[in-house]
Amino acid sequence: GAVVSQHPSWVICKSGTSVKIECRSLDFQATTMFWYRQFPKQSLMLMATSNEGSKATYEQGVEKDKFLINHASLTLSTLTVTSAHPEDSSFYICSARSGTSMYEQYFGPGTRLTVT
Amino acid sequence: QKEVEQNSGPLSVPEGAIASLNCTYSDRGSQSFFWYRQYSGKSPELIMSIYSNGDKEDGRFTAQLNKASQYVSLLIRDSQPSDSATYLCAVNIRQAGTALIFGKGTTLSVSS
Repeated sequence: GAVVSQHPSWVICKSGTSVKIECRSLDFQATTMFWYRQFPKQSLMLMATSNEGSKATYEQGVEKDKFLINHASLTLSTLTVTSAHPEDSSFYICSARSGTSMYEQYFGPGTRLTVT
Repeated sequence: QKEVEQNSGPLSVPEGAIASLNCTYSDRGSQSFFWYRQYSGKSPELIMSIYSNGDKEDGRFTAQLNKASQYVSLLIRDSQPSDSATYLCAVNIRQAGTALIFGKGTTLSVSS
């Protein structure tokens, strides 16, 4: 149980284009999902908390107009990187909190974004 | 102020030994503590959660929590080369709501 998927697993895009990443909870309903970014050899950095049916809460320093988050259903959250630039190249990972556990989070496999 | 601290390592142990990973946290009111394992290039995998003082065992893994000292540890018995990874300590900090705050991780290397 508690399986989270992400799509795509990797993507290469040109500078200035937008990329959408999907995060799905496959066997549970996730009222809350989280988006993280991880640069090589660095720790996970929380970007935003996504609650189903409401606006995402962004961490300080994360541009909400650049990283658009939509959590339209209890099993799907999407992150859209708008007007991507090479500095946005990173490993984007989502996680979901199942309703049965207060704080346990299960991570998706991640999406490696490369902006050329 | 760093909220979750771990020694970055690398921690090197021989196969079959006990690996001890440590973590301290700043928020005395924290209630939930987790250990994740992350292989290079992969996303974190939850291996242990602990909520009350004392020890919690699951197979070769034992998590230890001491809230008075604001300290949580992970012991890996009979370490195997496949245990070589980065181990992330995560804590629910009250100010973070339901989000977990992660330490920078400790890299473990088990040599055969």
